[in-house]
Amino acid sequence: GAGVSQSPRYKVAKRGQDVALRCDPISGHVSLFWYQQALGQGPEFLTYFQNEAQLDKSGLPSDRFFAERPEGSVSTLKIQRTQQEDSAVYLCASSLEVGAANTGELFFGEGSRLTVL
Amino acid sequence: AQKITQTQPGMFVQEKEAVTLDCTYDTSDQSYGLFWYKQPSSGEMIFLIYQGSYDEQNATEGRYSLNFQKARKSANLVISASQLGDSAMYFCAMPVGLTGGGNKLTFGTGTQLKVEL
Repeated sequence: GAGVSQSPRYKVAKRGQDVALRCDPISGHVSLFWYQQALGQGPEFLTYFQNEAQLDKSGLPSDRFFAERPEGSVSTLKIQRTQQEDSAVYLCASSLEVGAANTGELFFGEGSRLTVL
Repeated sequence: AQKITQTQPGMFVQEKEAVTLDCTYDTSDQSYGLFWYKQPSSGEMIFLIYQGSYDEQNATEGRYSLNFQKARKSANLVISASQLGDSAMYFCAMPVGLTGGGNKLTFGTGTQLKVEL
């Protein structure tokens, strides 16, 4: 597709279950970001990849959160032993060049809405 | 550290009228940029407009313009001739440097705009 694709769009998990959220960025985009957006809030940075290298993971809220991008394209955000406070929309964004966030050339997916019961 | 403040949780405007969405920021950087994104109910973040701190003129993009007042550290978004399709969440954002290169976007809490007939 032409844009950033995320799946699943909606996920309901029981507390304690593991979940995996997928992001398929625009082909050729070097940079990939994951954001967490709680209800009624702005997106909060989680982690950043440049190709396959995870250069910043300072926003991951706990060691239950893990992200990977093994071949520098598709990325997966995994949350282990989900808790109710993990309920949020998880947004993925990609850009063609490093530092493109400086010019706003970030392309976002529609997000994966996670609800933990 | 950079901080973005949006003090209007919700705004109403009548169709065809202009509306101003407020954004103030705090940064110690001399060179910086400011962005506005639109987030409709579908969830995707859509880039609207960008202002660089050294740009001599206020940015404009179609019906969107930025009222940039550097001394007051404000970058308010003005939407002229509002349309029903403008109803959405609007976020102000600023890039912050990441270790290892690149930039992430730091977002405000957003303003929910509702355009009425």
